[in-house]
Amino acid sequence: GAVVSQHPSWVICKSGTSVKIECRSLDFQATTMFWYRQFPKQSLMLMATSNEGSKATYEQGVEKDKFLINHASLTLSTLTVTSAHPEDSSFYICSARVASGFYNEQFFGPGTRLTVL
Amino acid sequence: SQQGEEDPQALSIQEGENATMNCSYKTSINNLQWYRQNSGRGLVHLILIRSNEREKHSGRLRVTLDTSKKSSSLLITASRAADTASYFCATALTGANSKLTFGKGITLSVRP
Repeated sequence: GAVVSQHPSWVICKSGTSVKIECRSLDFQATTMFWYRQFPKQSLMLMATSNEGSKATYEQGVEKDKFLINHASLTLSTLTVTSAHPEDSSFYICSARVASGFYNEQFFGPGTRLTVL
Repeated sequence: SQQGEEDPQALSIQEGENATMNCSYKTSINNLQWYRQNSGRGLVHLILIRSNEREKHSGRLRVTLDTSKKSSSLLITASRAADTASYFCATALTGANSKLTFGKGITLSVRP
């Protein structure tokens, strides 16, 4: 149980285009989903936290107009990288939280490799 | 600054040996988790230890937590070449809605 999927697993796009990444919790309902970015050989940096039905909370330094997050249902969150540029090339990972009492656990998707040419 | 800091940054051992990785953090936590990431892949959750626990086992994994020293260790016994990966500790601060903060990670290489 507690499987999180991401689609696509990789995408290559031209500079200036927008890319949408989907994150789904397959066998559970996730009230909260998180989006991370990871540059090569570095750690995961939290970009934003999204709660179903409300606006996402972005971390400091993350442009909310560039990284649009929609958490329309308890099983789906999307991240849209608008007007992507080469510096946006990165590994994007989502996670979903299962609320189980006081100790909440997060389950991670397999990641999406974005390459902007 | 990041909550978790792993030590060492890189570790190379021979297959069959034990691997010990350490993680230190700065503030009170709700729980601490260890993850594995193979190159270019997603994270695999290994183990979660709660702030009121001191030691936890899962197969060849042993995790300890010392809240007085704000540190945790991950021990992989009888390592295998397949254990080669990056390992991250992540902390969740006190509070039910807290987010995870990741350390920089440890690169483990197990030589066959």
